[in-house]
Amino acid sequence: DAGVTQSPTHLIKTRGQQVTLRCSPKSGHDTVSWYQQALGQGPQFIFQYYEEEERQRGNFPDRFSGHQFPNYSSELNVNALLLGDSALYLCASSLGIRGMETQYFGPGTRLLVL
Amino acid sequence: QKEVEQDPGPLSVPEGAIVSLNCTYSNSAFQYFMWYRQYSRKGPELLMYTYSSGNKEDGRFTAQVDKSSKYISLFIRDSQPSDSATYLCAMSAGLRETSGSRLTFGEGTQLTVNP
Repeated sequence: DAGVTQSPTHLIKTRGQQVTLRCSPKSGHDTVSWYQQALGQGPQFIFQYYEEEERQRGNFPDRFSGHQFPNYSSELNVNALLLGDSALYLCASSLGIRGMETQYFGPGTRLLVL
Repeated sequence: QKEVEQDPGPLSVPEGAIVSLNCTYSNSAFQYFMWYRQYSRKGPELLMYTYSSGNKEDGRFTAQVDKSSKYISLFIRDSQPSDSATYLCAMSAGLRETSGSRLTFGEGTQLTVNP
């Protein structure tokens, strides 16, 4: 049973560029949440997708956008990259959005913006 | 003020010690509480999940929640070098609240268990 997978594992971009990160949820899960983890900090919630719609959003600018596909996989897009966007981007999957569900995390994509 | 406060450490203990990790929170709507373990350059791995106040034990790990004090703890008995990692507390309010199922994390406590 495959867990949460993310691609790519590492990425280097320059300021102003755009990036797309990908996530495949754990088998049987239908909800994907994205988190940003800066070095030495806890993960910060970006947004959550369920039934191909953004259901919740954290305190992140519109430069951060996402998508969920019919197979429940998801993408995170970041436009006009800033140096401060350098972080580990984590995808978590769960079953449903009632709030009691366990969220399982992928290994993350480490983004470096130069 | 952060919604969830966690002492970042670092915390260094000898093998076999009892480790106590703690978080405090300010949002009284939180009702689901989790502890995640994160090894260097890896994603967080769920260790313990508790609902509302009380204790939960799983092997060498015990999670405690005191909602009246807005305080949660994780105890690790007979700590091992393989327990060396960053421990993150996380919590959510559930669908009745606008924050829904999003997880709010502490900043993590870095633990080193020395052989």
